[in-house]
Amino acid sequence: GAVVSQHPSRVICKSGTSVKIECRSLDFQATTMFWYRQFPKQSLMLMATSNEGSKATYEQGVEKDKFLINHASLTLSTLTVTSAHPEDSSFYICSARDRGVDEQYFGPGTRLTVT
Amino acid sequence: AQSVTQPDIHITVSEGASLELRCNYSYGATPYLFWYVQSPGQGLQLLLKYFSGDTLVQGIKGFEAEFKRSQSSFNLRKPSVHWSDAAEYFCAVASAWGNTPLVFGKGTRLSVIA
Repeated sequence: GAVVSQHPSRVICKSGTSVKIECRSLDFQATTMFWYRQFPKQSLMLMATSNEGSKATYEQGVEKDKFLINHASLTLSTLTVTSAHPEDSSFYICSARDRGVDEQYFGPGTRLTVT
Repeated sequence: AQSVTQPDIHITVSEGASLELRCNYSYGATPYLFWYVQSPGQGLQLLLKYFSGDTLVQGIKGFEAEFKRSQSSFNLRKPSVHWSDAAEYFCAVASAWGNTPLVFGKGTRLSVIA
């Protein structure tokens, strides 16, 4: 089946620094990718929709200047958490749409811890 | 807007016993429905999905789910639970597929005891 990877799987950073998370579709082209956030013992909440070659669409309450999303190619979307704070610590999961078969696949997630 | 309710936060069953996890959705049109499983610290694995057709859907790992439009439900079942089924289970709904995000329920944590 189709594979979506995320890198890194875990990252620890200091408060005030920025961290970039990559989401890659390994064997298909993804015109659309979604970024979700999951707090401990909580559900997944959609943060933004990333479309290749255009600006991301953010959900209400998500700061677009803080969570920068770039979908520069059909196989890669990046989420950059800028000036991270401890409250940004969370599990970030992406999903990617395989336009060839109209399916959607989830990545394994990235655990971000801000100290 | 769509929403999903999973009434049970935590369920404990004995190994070998049957399982039913409840899911109710709110959506005006015909929904696209999903069940995912998440092991601790892991990503999501799709168990099954319903788009149309037969309301009883078979999934992986011996799971099945039944879509009941009259009850706005999509409950997940398994006739005999294995210890390895212990995980978090999420029900999700979408208004379309592929190009739309999913709306997730809060999840049900399944514990399996000997």
